[in-house]
Amino acid sequence: DADVTQTPRNRITKTGKRIMLECSQTKGHDRMYWYRQDPGLGLRLIYYSFDVKDINKGEISDGYSVSRQAQAKFSLSLESAIPNQTALYFCATSAPTGTEAFFGQGTRLTVV
Amino acid sequence: RKEVEQNPGPFNVPEGATVAFNCTYSNSASQSFFWYRQDCRKEPKLLMSVYSSGNEDGRFTAQLNRASQYISLLIRDSKLSDSATYLCVVDPYGGSQGNLIFGKGTKLSVKP
Repeated sequence: DADVTQTPRNRITKTGKRIMLECSQTKGHDRMYWYRQDPGLGLRLIYYSFDVKDINKGEISDGYSVSRQAQAKFSLSLESAIPNQTALYFCATSAPTGTEAFFGQGTRLTVV
Repeated sequence: RKEVEQNPGPFNVPEGATVAFNCTYSNSASQSFFWYRQDCRKEPKLLMSVYSSGNEDGRFTAQLNRASQYISLLIRDSKLSDSATYLCVVDPYGGSQGNLIFGKGTKLSVKP
């Protein structure tokens, strides 16, 4: 089994719909992240969490919200999806300072 | 100046070739540096960390020049399996603020 699991792997949704992307990890790490990847733009940080009680906005948090339900679970919500949120979304986890980030396999989201 | 800049490529090289990728970063106080590899439609995975003294892992050599704010990755004796996108990654704050900065990646294609 993967260390970081994202569900769903692919999703097509309509403009205005609410959608939740889920992430769980078995690494036992406190830190979790949500990134989005767009062609030509690279990976950009949406939100990150250093522990269950800590949530921080990243570079592009507008239009997104997150919930850290447990050390192992970090979900990303799009309250009202719009087409420019079509992207590949990655969840990641890491141990503190300067160590490797482990990514989930990604969720390909299309908003039509 | 963008935070982390890479030549997007693509680099098309024959098997056995030596290829070098470069990356520059804008924050002179950045503390940690990495190269990640991303296969098409897959998640990024750590290839190697980059240390001030330079480091080598088999056919891969990474170097850091803090004075020039420059990171390099050298791949010797390229294999078909090296075909991927290579992401230069900088942690400006040594993990304290959770924000890895990703370059847009350099695409490598190794041909028979």
